Amino acid sequence: QKEVEQNSGPLSVPEGAIASLNCTYSDRGSQSFFWYRQYSGKSPELIMSIYSNGDKEDGRFTAQLNKASQYVSLLIRDSQPSDSATYLCAVYSNSGYALNFGKGTSLLVTP
Amino acid sequence: KAGVTQTPRYLIKTRGQQVTLSCSPISGHRSVSWYQQTPGQGLQFLFEYFSETQRNKGNFPGRFSGRQFSNSRSEMNVSTLELGDSALYLCASSDGTGGNEQFFGPGTRLTVL
Repeated sequence: QKEVEQNSGPLSVPEGAIASLNCTYSDRGSQSFFWYRQYSGKSPELIMSIYSNGDKEDGRFTAQLNKASQYVSLLIRDSQPSDSATYLCAVYSNSGYALNFGKGTSLLVTP
Repeated sequence: KAGVTQTPRYLIKTRGQQVTLSCSPISGHRSVSWYQQTPGQGLQFLFEYFSETQRNKGNFPGRFSGRQFSNSRSEMNVSTLELGDSALYLCASSDGTGGNEQFFGPGTRLTVL
């Protein structure tokens, strides 16, 4: 079983809609969770971090964490074409120093 | 605050050669992690350094090595290059506290011919 799993997509949403990206992880002891955005040909950019169960909002982005279900999600409200990118979910390994990444979900926002 | 810098940005090498990549973390950050990104395997952890000590290592062959200097700058070396080593090599910087945010540099695109 892969440690961090994401649907590869592509997930296609119309401009202005809510995009919902999901991620599951296998290590019950994980404490730190991150979402990165990666545009084609660029490096990953950190957009959200979440450490506690519940929701964390930052502008149009909301991260949701459910440790009991080992599930973390990212909601993007009022999606824009500029949000079209690959979104990577990352979870720390047991050591706390190595990030394990999902393969990423490709998001396409159509005008 | 300046971000993470990596040099060179692009490299072309041939099989059997070796290569050294460099990374300078965000000022004040003492941890540098290295990752390899390929289309097939995604982002995979190579190793992490803090205060010149390797704290964690991923599942890569011994041809991949690294080090960190007293100013927190880090280098990684790949010896005896193979075609499969073609990838984007990313360095990430953090303050070194376990579980904290990591910020990526622009990466070095390595092509092995």
